[in-house]
Amino acid sequence: EAGVTQSPTHLIKTRGQQVTLRCSPISGHTSVYWYQQALGLGLQFLLWYDEGEERNRGNFPPRFSGRQFPNYSSELNVNALELEDSALYLCASSLRQGGSPLHFGNGTRLTVT
Amino acid sequence: AQSVAQPEDQVNVAEGNPLTVKCTYSVSGNPYLFWYVQYPNRGLQFLLKYITGDNLVKGSYGFEAEFNKSQTSFHLKKPSALVSDSALYFCASSDGGATNKLIFGTGTLLAVQP
Repeated sequence: EAGVTQSPTHLIKTRGQQVTLRCSPISGHTSVYWYQQALGLGLQFLLWYDEGEERNRGNFPPRFSGRQFPNYSSELNVNALELEDSALYLCASSLRQGGSPLHFGNGTRLTVT
Repeated sequence: AQSVAQPEDQVNVAEGNPLTVKCTYSVSGNPYLFWYVQYPNRGLQFLLKYITGDNLVKGSYGFEAEFNKSQTSFHLKKPSALVSDSALYFCASSDGGATNKLIFGTGTLLAVQP
């Protein structure tokens, strides 16, 4: 069974630019979650998508947005990049059933200079 | 509000000795609790979960965790540590089924010395 895949693995951007990160969930999983893991800040919940809809959002500004496609893959978009957006962005997928564990991809390392 | 605490930033243990990584939770209702492990520059790997039932949960790679409702704890344990267990460990909770969104603790770095 293929795991959660994320692309690209690494990305270097300049302040003010925009970036799109991509995620393909495990086959059969309808829920996709995005987390930010920045140095010293731990794992912060960003967004949750299920069945194509945004279900929940963490405490992040509106320039963080995303979407989920009919095949359940997802994109995370970050506009007007700031230096503090430098982090590992992790995508996870799960079944919709309560208590199902999240399965994580290896992440996209974003560096903003 | 739902929260998870990992009181130790780092745990050091000698290879072959038992290890414990501590976690306490604050969740309204019945908690769903999880442990994950993260190796450098990788995503998180699921180790085990507690939903209901037996307070001792067994997971991957010989790890187990004990759910203690009175102490609101969910400590991760292993009888005999390996050098390859050295990694960052995260405890997490979800809100009992309404969503699988996880709230994570700050992580504990486990260092196993040969």
